[in-house]
This record gives sequence, structure tokens and C-alpha cells, in this order.
Amino acid sequence: EAAVTQSPRSKVAVTGGKVTLSCHQTNNHDYMYWYRQDTGHGLRLIHYSYVADSTEKGDIPDGYKASRPSQENFSLILELASLSQTAVYFCASSLDRGNTGQLYFGEGSKLTVL
Amino acid sequence: AQKVTQTQTSISVMEKTTVTMDCVYETQDSSYFLFWYKQTASGEIVFLIRQDSYKKENATVGHYSLNFQKPKSSIGLIITATQIEDSAVYFCAMREGDTGYQNFYFGKGTSLTVIP
Repeated sequence: EAAVTQSPRSKVAVTGGKVTLSCHQTNNHDYMYWYRQDTGHGLRLIHYSYVADSTEKGDIPDGYKASRPSQENFSLILELASLSQTAVYFCASSLDRGNTGQLYFGEGSKLTVL
Repeated sequence: AQKVTQTQTSISVMEKTTVTMDCVYETQDSSYFLFWYKQTASGEIVFLIRQDSYKKENATVGHYSLNFQKPKSSIGLIITATQIEDSAVYFCAMREGDTGYQNFYFGKGTSLTVIP
């Protein structure tokens, strides 16, 4: 069954530390996304990618980097974690732009920065 | 500016009744795609239903249907014969079709509680 899986599902990090959130999809989708969810803000796009070895900035990219080493894998990197980055992060995938298909989400990764 | 707006923060309905959740969107694109997603208490987000802007017929999937009013830039979600398991947060989303920027814009969500 096609799926998007994230790891870790939950993480506590210290301010200034490095955090890497990983995402793996078996949907054979071209597009992958990282969204952030905060209470009262819905989902906001951080980075996305439409091909391996290439990433694009979303609406709120500051403080985040992304890496797409293969079609299946997409990582979100917080080089210097800050308190304001405490949130739930969702990875998602979708078919190519021509199809304009819907998003398939991972289970979410809850990040707490102390 | 918010591209997708859901004005209802929370709604409570009795089981087996019909509920409508509102959503308005803003876009300059000639083609666009509208979606509704459901987020359960466990945090899982699942796709429910979509409406393509060029289609005049309202989409229907199971007990979910849409009320697409293009002149009003409105896409309401209708759930008929609500069940307890419909209790969740519902997000409206839009993907623009003309631009190269690949993003699904989400509303802030409407929390639905179905009362037995």
C-alpha cells in the first residue's frame, strides 16, 4: 500500500541544536512537501521538491533547509533549532503538476524545542 | 492575505443530521483545484473530496458532497447523515493551476463535533 512515513514521530530538542526530520514515500510521486502545523494557523508550506537533488522554498522557509537525495526521501533540517519552531510537521507527496492530484500526508512529527 | 478562509472555528451537530462547512478562496488563476481534508484526533490527515474549477457539477463521494459556487469563490463541504466518527477537524485547501508555484493553500480548519 502506498504510504508516506515520517521519522521520528516525536522529538524533543534543545535550543541551538540540530534537528533532522525524515520522510519516505512509496507512492512513486514526483512532488514532496514539508508543512508546519500550529494551532490556529492551519498548514503552512516550508519547502517542497519536484525532483531528486532539487528543493524549492515555500511560504515560511526561514530557519529550515531541505534535502531530496532520491525520489522516495525528503528531509527537513533545522540547523539551529529555536523555541518558535516547536510545532507538528507533516510531510506529504503528490503526483506531478499536470495531474494536480491531492496530497497524501505522513503521520506527522511533533517537535518540541526547549 | 489569506487565500483560503474558513470562518467557522467549531460546529456541533447531532448524529444523523446534515452539516455544512464553509470555505471561501481567493485566486487570480483561471484554473484551480479545491480540496477538503479531514484531520482525526490522532493527527492523521486524509483527503476527502476535490472540485476542479472547470467542472460545473458538484463533486460527491459517499456521504460527502460539495457546494461549489464559483461566482462567490465558495466551496462548502456537506456531510449528510453524520456519524460519531465524523468528529474531526476539516481543512479546505486550494491549489492554483496557472502558476509555477506548487503549493496547496490551507484554511485554518473547522472543528466538527458530532453528538450522539
